[in-house]
Amino acid sequence: GEDVEQSLFLSVREGDSSVINCTYTDSSSTYLYWYKQEPGAGLQLLTYIFSNMDMKQDQRLTVLLNKKDKHLSLRIADTQTGDSAIYFCAESSSNTGKLIFGQGTTLQVKP
Amino acid sequence: DAGVIQSPRHEVTEMGQEVTLRCKPISGHDYLFWYRQTMMRGLELLIYFNNNVPIDDSGMPEDRFSAKMPNASFSTLKIQPSEPRDSAVYFCASSLLGRGETQYFGPGTRLLVL
Repeated sequence: GEDVEQSLFLSVREGDSSVINCTYTDSSSTYLYWYKQEPGAGLQLLTYIFSNMDMKQDQRLTVLLNKKDKHLSLRIADTQTGDSAIYFCAESSSNTGKLIFGQGTTLQVKP
Repeated sequence: DAGVIQSPRHEVTEMGQEVTLRCKPISGHDYLFWYRQTMMRGLELLIYFNNNVPIDDSGMPEDRFSAKMPNASFSTLKIQPSEPRDSAVYFCASSLLGRGETQYFGPGTRLLVL
């Protein structure tokens, strides 16, 4: 079935780059998403990538998609303490249109 | 646009009581989703609607849970009777087209059942 997996925790120093990785199983997913959840808040869409793209850059964010390996990554350049949050990877199910979420990666940014 | 609106933001109730969570989607969005988030199970899709009609309720945990969407601007998720294991954050999200479309999330309702 459809499944999305992420590592649970990442700790970086302020100013370093962060790379959050995700693997998914549905090779026919049309879109892949990254959402951010700050403490006590809902999920906020950060960025998304269409499945026929390899890379998308949006200011400090870079999304890389390796469709062959079904691997998605989110790189945050110059990570700031305000980037501390949980980051969710999600794929859109080609069969149902539902989003399938990973379990989330907690990013801790140390000053 | 005000975004997706949920109420209440926090709810504390006793086991056996009825709980009703409310959601107002973004105006013009055709799809509405209800999710539940817990530490143990992560983010789970409970049910979603298209044009006010329930499409997939396979994620609803049991008969104690029910959801309605009487019109395009309002949905409820009801738990009757509530149990301590229902304690979670419940999110509502809406999207314009559903398939492959960005979902916009509300701030969530934090439910604690004692």
